[in-house]
Amino acid sequence: DGGITQSPKYLFRKEGQNVTLSCEQNLNHDAMYWYRQDPGQGLRLIYYSQIVNDFQKGDIAEGYSVSREKKESFPLTVTSAQKNPTAFYLCASDRQGALALPGANVLTFGAGSRLTVL
Amino acid sequence: GQQVMQIPQYQHVQEGEDFTTYCNSSTTLSNIQWYKQRPGGHPVFLIQLVKSGEVKKQKRLTFQFGEAKKNSSLHITATQTTDVGTYFCAALSSNDYKLSFGAGTTVTVRA
Repeated sequence: DGGITQSPKYLFRKEGQNVTLSCEQNLNHDAMYWYRQDPGQGLRLIYYSQIVNDFQKGDIAEGYSVSREKKESFPLTVTSAQKNPTAFYLCASDRQGALALPGANVLTFGAGSRLTVL
Repeated sequence: GQQVMQIPQYQHVQEGEDFTTYCNSSTTLSNIQWYKQRPGGHPVFLIQLVKSGEVKKQKRLTFQFGEAKKNSSLHITATQTTDVGTYFCAALSSNDYKLSFGAGTTVTVRA
């Protein structure tokens, strides 16, 4: 089955440590995204990548870093510079294209990674 | 990205009743998408609306895109316990194809 796999599902870390969240997709999607979800605030875009070896900052990129060395993989590192890292992190991907193209620009999400910083 | 406002933030519904959640923007939207996130789960795509005044139905769910393409609504009839979750609208930017999500409407159902 095609889909997006995020790991780990739950992660506990001490303050000041960097953490890397994994995201792998086998949907052959060009674009991949990282969102952060906090209660009552919806989904906020951290970083996105529309092509291999290229990525762009989203609305809340400070304290995070990403890489896109392979089409299938888009790992997110939560650095010690992120002031409030405890959150639910969602990875997503989509097939980019014209609005009228069926299925284009529709996000498929992974199951998420819940990070708690102690 | 484009800003979309969703209301209400919380909706408590008696089983069998209808309810509506709204998504509003101050700017014209190229399209609007709706997602549902069950408690403890991840968002799942429901539908995409592109045309002005468009109405689409999925069983008990009716989605509408406003004539001015600045608002959208999701109406659920005869609410069931399976409708519990958070419903998000998301607007697609025509410039960079990024989605901007509303804050969501969290629905609980009283049996």
